[in-house]
Amino acid sequence: GAVVSQHPSRVICKSGTSVKIECRSLDFQATTMFWYRQFPKQSLMLMATSNEGSKATYEQGVEKDKFLINHASLTLSTLTVTSAHPEDSSFYICSAQRDKAYEQYFGPGTRLTVT
Amino acid sequence: KNEVEQSPQNLTAQEGEFITINCSYSVGISALHWLQQHPGGGIVSLFMLSSGKKKHGRLIATINIQEKHSSLHITASHPRDSAVYICAVRSKAYNTDKLIFGTGTRLQVFP
Repeated sequence: GAVVSQHPSRVICKSGTSVKIECRSLDFQATTMFWYRQFPKQSLMLMATSNEGSKATYEQGVEKDKFLINHASLTLSTLTVTSAHPEDSSFYICSAQRDKAYEQYFGPGTRLTVT
Repeated sequence: KNEVEQSPQNLTAQEGEFITINCSYSVGISALHWLQQHPGGGIVSLFMLSSGKKKHGRLIATINIQEKHSSLHITASHPRDSAVYICAVRSKAYNTDKLIFGTGTRLQVFP
């Protein structure tokens, strides 16, 4: 149980285009989903916290207009990187939580390369 | 100083060795997680604990709340255990479910 999927697993896009990454909880309903970014050989950096049906809470320094997060249902959250630039190339990971104080379950990650 | 410190940063071992990874934190916590990240990038949650000890297969996690310290032990290590092990805590101070991550311990087990 407690499986979280991400799609796509890898994406290459051209500078200036937008990319959407999906995060799904497959066998449970997630009231909260988290989006992380990870640079090579570094730890995860929380970008935003997303609660179903409400606006995402972004961490300091994360541009909300650039990284659009939508948590439309209890099993799906999406991260859209708008007008992507090469410096947005990174590994993006989501996690999902059933309810407060529950364990976070992590997705397999999406590797974004912007050329 | 990071709120969550792990040691060692890098660890190499021979197959069969007993391995210990340590995590110290400086904030009050409601829970501590041990995560495993393989070279492909995917993260697996190994344990979530708030007191005592948990065991799953060859993995054991302990936590001492008074000393603000946790350890992850791997018995009879195997090359497939090679991964980055990450300690993360849920801080009471933030009153959210945000996790604070350690920088990870890179483990390599050789046959």
